[in-house]
Amino acid sequence: GAVVSQHPSRVICKSGTSVKIECRSLDFQATTMFWYRQFPKKSLMLMATSNEGSKATYEQGVEKDKFLINHASLTLSTLTVTSAHPEDSSFYICSASGRSLQSDTQYFGPGTRLTVL
Amino acid sequence: GQQLNQSPQSMFIQEGEDVSMNCTSSSIFNTWLWYKQDPGEGPVLLIALYKAGELTSNGRLTAQFGITRKDSFLNISASIPSDVGIYFCAGQGWIDDMRFGAGTRLTVKP
Repeated sequence: GAVVSQHPSRVICKSGTSVKIECRSLDFQATTMFWYRQFPKKSLMLMATSNEGSKATYEQGVEKDKFLINHASLTLSTLTVTSAHPEDSSFYICSASGRSLQSDTQYFGPGTRLTVL
Repeated sequence: GQQLNQSPQSMFIQEGEDVSMNCTSSSIFNTWLWYKQDPGEGPVLLIALYKAGELTSNGRLTAQFGITRKDSFLNISASIPSDVGIYFCAGQGWIDDMRFGAGTRLTVKP
């Protein structure tokens, strides 16, 4: 149980375009989803926390208009990188926690490698 | 904010050896978690600890939640090549926020 999927696993886009990444909880209801960014050989950096049906809470320094997060249902959250630039190239990972899981433990998706040319 | 110090940063060991890594925090956490990340993948939960003093095993892995609630360690016994990866500790506070250590990169030589 507690499986989280992400799509796509890899995406290459041109500078200036927008990219949408999906995060789904497959076998539980995710009341809270988290989006992380990871630079090479670095730890995970929390970007934002989203609760189903409400606006995401962004960490300090993360641009809300740049990284649009939607958590429209209990099984789906999306991260849209708007007007992507090469510096947005990174590994983006989502995680989810839910009511049915023990003590709000987070389970991670497999990640999405974004490359902006 | 809450800071996690994870050590060591990297380890190079021989197959069969035991491994120990730890995390310390400047403040208290309610939950300590240990994750392993393979290259190009998301972290996978190894062990979750919910009570101070708790000692939990998962196969060859053993982790403990420190009595002070400011530290945790992870031990891997009799390492094998597939143990290679990056191990992250994570501490979780009252409001579901989670902070990660910088990671320990483990290399196991056959």
